[in-house]
Amino acid sequence: DTGVSQDPRHKITKRGQNVTFRCDPISEHNRLYWYRQTLGQGPEFLTYFQNEAQLEKSRLLSDRFSAERPKGSFSTLEIQRTEQGDSAMYLCASSLGTSAHNSPLHFGNGTRLTVT
Amino acid sequence: GNSVTQMEGPVTLSEEAFLTINCTYTATGYPSLFWYVQYPGEGLQLLLKATKADDKGSNKGFEATYRKETTSFHLEKGSVQVSDSAVYFCALIQFYFGTGTSLTVIP
Repeated sequence: DTGVSQDPRHKITKRGQNVTFRCDPISEHNRLYWYRQTLGQGPEFLTYFQNEAQLEKSRLLSDRFSAERPKGSFSTLEIQRTEQGDSAMYLCASSLGTSAHNSPLHFGNGTRLTVT
Repeated sequence: GNSVTQMEGPVTLSEEAFLTINCTYTATGYPSLFWYVQYPGEGLQLLLKATKADDKGSNKGFEATYRKETTSFHLEKGSVQVSDSAVYFCALIQFYFGTGTSLTVIP
């Protein structure tokens, strides 16, 4: 179990640029989740995958946000035309998913995005 | 809809004091409840969980009981240590997190 890894750890970008973050889950985990966390708040759910299928994306913050998990392994989260309000920590987590949603999440250390 | 309300912090306690962090939820049915902890400089990690009403989750001296009557899942520890200083998050299934409670334990 090498844990969930996220890359990069930090990203500084100028307003209007596109950014892409990568998440590598624990290898045997079938579910992968993305969250946004701002200072003093808990993780805010964005989207999740079961294998390569994106099962929920209505909570993505706007149509500038998109996520993929093309082969059911790693995932990417892209933000197009970044805005200063996108500055936050973006967290990835994985789990062995069940229909009851009772499996614990394993989190990565996050990607901190700063939009200038 | 589903939601979690968590006691706001920060909380500062002396070592060996009793800890309670309140968490209440709104949900349909009896979904699983979790407490996650984030130590300084680290990612969130599972502390304990309960998957049905009246279950008690426990780990590292922490306990929480899933109470459907009061829709609560309060976190307790009888005697905190300096090493328990962290931020604690209550969560309803994988989708709803509380705002987090920062705990500082002083020697």
